[in-house]
Amino acid sequence: DSGVTQTPKHLITATGQRVTLRCSPRSGDLSVYWYQQSLDQGLQFLIQYYNGEERAKGNILERFSAQQFPDLHSELNLSSLELGDSALYFCASSVVDSKETQYFGPGTRLLVL
Amino acid sequence: EDQVTQSPEALRLQEGESSSLNCSYTVSGLRGLFWYRQDPGKGPEFLFTLYSAGEEKEKERLKATLTKKESFLHITAPKPEDSATYLCAVYSGGSNYKLTFGKGTLLTVNP
Repeated sequence: DSGVTQTPKHLITATGQRVTLRCSPRSGDLSVYWYQQSLDQGLQFLIQYYNGEERAKGNILERFSAQQFPDLHSELNLSSLELGDSALYFCASSVVDSKETQYFGPGTRLLVL
Repeated sequence: EDQVTQSPEALRLQEGESSSLNCSYTVSGLRGLFWYRQDPGKGPEFLFTLYSAGEEKEKERLKATLTKKESFLHITAPKPEDSATYLCAVYSGGSNYKLTFGKGTLLTVNP
């Protein structure tokens, strides 16, 4: 158990809908990272938050957004969902930045029908 | 842009048959190289961090090494429970805050 929790584990929704994925980092970690993993793309970095502030952006679509709350948990919002958004979404956390080990949560499997 | 290439894409071994996985990288200045293990449908599980060329780390049947251009994950006398996808990632720091992952090596160990 990495100490990072994610909910829900599975999500099935329809095209055009909006969903919210939730992540709680390990105790003491200030940075939260979101990744998307699909069969053909591997692990793709989406966005990082550090202590409530956006720190780095990767290949995140404009339809996607995230935030980190004062208690350090984070939410990833996916809107106007398309079939191609079906993937595993992982959250990871580290103390400060990517020089330290990132510990991953169990993921949320999103299926868009 | 940082690049990570892992080879082979897939590897089948017999139980007890030792081998190595390769991770080649191109970065402007390596600040950390990470190895993870991932089981199907699960989150990546941290194995090792290497920071400088010549560094080695071991854990049970796994040993990770680092040179200036690549890293190897050596698996000695593997068991079926070592079957998983092994991921390599690099961090170069500076204005690039993210980890760049390779596509992984799918290891299958047959009993």
